[in-house]
This record gives sequence, C-alpha cells and structure tokens, in this order.
Amino acid sequence: KAGVTQTPRYLIKTRGQQVTLSCSPISGHRSVSWYQQTPGQGLQFLFEYFSETQRNKGNFPGRFSGRQFSNSRSEMNVSTLELGDSALYLCASSPIPNQPQHFGDGTRLSIL
Amino acid sequence: EDQVTQSPEALRLQEGESSSLNCSYTVSGLRGLFWYRQDPGKGPEFLFTLYSAGEEKEKERLKATLTKKESFLHITAPKPEDSATYLCAVQATIGGGATNKLIFGTGTLLAVQP
Repeated sequence: KAGVTQTPRYLIKTRGQQVTLSCSPISGHRSVSWYQQTPGQGLQFLFEYFSETQRNKGNFPGRFSGRQFSNSRSEMNVSTLELGDSALYLCASSPIPNQPQHFGDGTRLSIL
Repeated sequence: EDQVTQSPEALRLQEGESSSLNCSYTVSGLRGLFWYRQDPGKGPEFLFTLYSAGEEKEKERLKATLTKKESFLHITAPKPEDSATYLCAVQATIGGGATNKLIFGTGTLLAVQP
C-alpha cells in the first residue's frame, strides 16, 4: 500500500513569491492534516481537512491556506513568502479524524 | 494552554543498554497520546497510540505506557538501528468533536552506539 506522497520534495523560492505544495493521502484516507516543522518550533499544526471541509486551523497568518479535493488529495498555498517560512512542510492522513495519522516525507521549502 | 514536554533532549546509549524517554503533557480533554519515530530527512513514522491511563503498548524493543500526566517510551536492549528522534504528541478535544490536531513535543534524539 503506497504511503502519503508529497510533491515536490524540495523547493527554493524568493521572498514575496507564492508556493503551492501537494499531498496525496494513503488510498482510502479521507482526512488530511498539514504541519510545519522547524528546528526552533518543532512540529506545528497548520490545518486539517475532511470531506473537502477545513475542520481546524492552527495559529498561522492568513498567508497560509489550503484545500482538499473530492479525491481527498490536498494542497496548501503560502503567499507573499517570508524568510521565516523556510521549513519542512509535512502532510499526514488518516481514514477519518481522530485516528492515527501517517506522515509523508515532506516538502523542504527554502526561502532566499 | 495545551503543552507537551519531552526529556531528555538527547540520549546516548550503548547497544543493549535499556532506558526510558519521558513525555509530560498538559491538555484539556486528552483524546489520545501518540509516539512517532523520525529519521533524518523523513517524515514521522507512527509507533503507538495510548488512550487512557494505565494503558501499555509494545512493539519489538519498544514499550509505551501512559499515566494521567505523562507517558514513557521504554527501550529494551536497543540496537544501533533504533537511533532516531522520538516524538510524542497529544490529541486534544476541540469543541467536543473529533479532530486530527496534534500538539507535538520537541522530541528526544536517541543515539545507540555499537
């Protein structure tokens, strides 16, 4: 069974640009969550989606947004990139909310 | 405020030397406590879920336990391949409904030397 797939694996952008990251959950998983991982803050929750609806959102500015499609695939978008947005962005999926989540290997975003 | 604290930050063991990692938590309405393992350049790998005080789960050389305030990850006779960062996370109740929001600790970096 294929795991959570995140694309691209690495991305380099400059300040002020915007970026879209993609996540394909494990087959049959309908719940997708996004996390930001940095050396200073560790893993922090961004948002979660279930059945194309955002259920919860973490404490991040409005520049961070996401969506989920009918096939459960999800995308997150960051606009007006700042240097502090450099991080590993992780996607996790579970069959339904409140069940163990399985993570992808992330997208490493570097802002120059 | 919901919070998770892991200790120690780093731990170096000799192969075969058993030890425990600690995860202390403060959360309003615990729905579950999760242990993950993360290798460099990889995403966290799910290990265990614990739901209530007194619960224990085992997998190979790892055993996780849960009390009302903390969880322990016991590593028995570790091998070099057990070297990784071990992350603890709690899932809290939000508005009484199911959620996938996890609050993570900063992890324990474990190094097992042959």
